[in-house]
Amino acid sequence: AQRVTQPEKLLSVFKGAPVELKCNYSYSGSPELFWYVQYSRQRLQLLLRHISRESIKGFTADLNKGETSFHLKKPFAQEEDSAMYYCALLSGGYQKVTFGTGTKLQVIP
Amino acid sequence: EAQVTQNPRYLITVTGKKLTVTCSQNMNHEYMSWYRQDPGLGLRQIYYSMNVEVTDKGDVPEGYKVSRKEKRNFPLILESPSPNQTSLYFCASSLSRGFGGELFFGEGSRLTVL
Repeated sequence: AQRVTQPEKLLSVFKGAPVELKCNYSYSGSPELFWYVQYSRQRLQLLLRHISRESIKGFTADLNKGETSFHLKKPFAQEEDSAMYYCALLSGGYQKVTFGTGTKLQVIP
Repeated sequence: EAQVTQNPRYLITVTGKKLTVTCSQNMNHEYMSWYRQDPGLGLRQIYYSMNVEVTDKGDVPEGYKVSRKEKRNFPLILESPSPNQTSLYFCASSLSRGFGGELFFGEGSRLTVL
C-alpha cells in the first residue's frame, strides 16, 4: 500500500532563511507526487507537481526515486509562506490520492 | 466563478441522526472525492467517483455512503453518525483520469457528532 510521510509537524524558520519541507513516499509503482498548500482561512490548493518541474512562489521540489523523496524547498522564506503544506501521492491509475499528515510552516519575521 | 461548494459548512448533530453533506462543482469535472482531516492524521480519502454512477472506496469508507447520480453533485451520507466521525470534511473535484493531480477543494464542512 502507498504511504506518504511528512516527519515534521511544525517547522519554524526566520524570514529570509532557507526552507525545506520533507516528504518521503512508499509506492511500488511509478509515483506522481504533488505539494498542496493551505493558507489561513483559504481552501487547500495545488502548489506544484513533480511532472511539471516548475517553480511556484519560489518553491521547487525534485523527485528523488532513489531516496523515495519529494522535498519542498525555497531558498529564502517569506512571511506569506506561513501555511500548512501537504505532500500527496497519486496512484491507482490516477484514482487514489494519499496525503501526508502535513507540515505547518511558520515564518518568523 | 469555478468552484466546489459544500454544505453545510458547520454542523452539530447527535449520534444516530442521519445527515448528508452536499458537494457540488460547476467545472464539469468527472472526478470527485471526499476526505476527512483529523489532527495528526492529515487528509484521508473516504470515497471517490470517476464519473456518474461510478464510485469506489478510499482509505476510510466505514460509516459513510456516497452517490453520484449527476456529474456535478457528490453527496456524503452518514446514515448513523458516531462521535468518531467528528471531523473536518473536504470535497474535491478534478477534470478527469490522468488529470495530473490537480484537485480543486471545497471550503470544508466541520462536523461535530455528540
